[in-house]
Amino acid sequence: DTGVSQDPRHKITKRGQNVTFRCDPISEHNRLYWYRQTLGQGPEFLTYFQNEAQLEKSRLLSDRFSAERPKGSFSTLEIQRTEQGDSAMYLCASSLEDRAPSEQYFGPGTRLTVT
Amino acid sequence: AQTVTQSQPEMSVQEAETVTLSCTYDTSESDYYLFWYKQPPSRQMILVIRQEAYKQQNATENRFSVNFQKAAKSFSLKISDSQLGDAAMYFCAYNTDKLIFGTGTRLQVFP
Repeated sequence: DTGVSQDPRHKITKRGQNVTFRCDPISEHNRLYWYRQTLGQGPEFLTYFQNEAQLEKSRLLSDRFSAERPKGSFSTLEIQRTEQGDSAMYLCASSLEDRAPSEQYFGPGTRLTVT
Repeated sequence: AQTVTQSQPEMSVQEAETVTLSCTYDTSESDYYLFWYKQPPSRQMILVIRQEAYKQQNATENRFSVNFQKAAKSFSLKISDSQLGDAAMYFCAYNTDKLIFGTGTRLQVFP
């Protein structure tokens, strides 16, 4: 299967610890997105990359959050000094963008629990 | 800023019947894309149907169709011949590079 994969699927951490999530997009996709979804809500945009360039960051992405996409392939999302409010599902999606917005393919998500 | 509103937190339908999920949005753009995504319990989100705003014809995908009213900024999803596997959260989304999602509608399907 060559869909979007995310690792780990679940992460439990203590408040104040750093965590890093990885997303592997569909190989030919040039865009990669990160979203956060809390219980009972729709996903909220965090940031996105076109190839290796980070083109937009949401104001939700505080300075404790950083995302990278070296070489335009996989991406990592790091949260430093985690807080209980960071507990959520972190979703990654990828798409092949030409001129018109195309379908975003989502991964299974990483569920973060901060205790 | 664009916003998406889904006013039905939960809906239910009998198997084989038809159900319509509502969505309204707000934008000042004239050209954009709208999507319905399905998120089954503990499974990943998948695209159900998409609509380009410049197309007047409503999109259809098998049992799924939309009623796109551009002037009213309304984008409802109709599911015909509902099946047990249709039970999921359904999210309406507006595309402007990134997706802006509504809060979702939980659809239950009863046998």
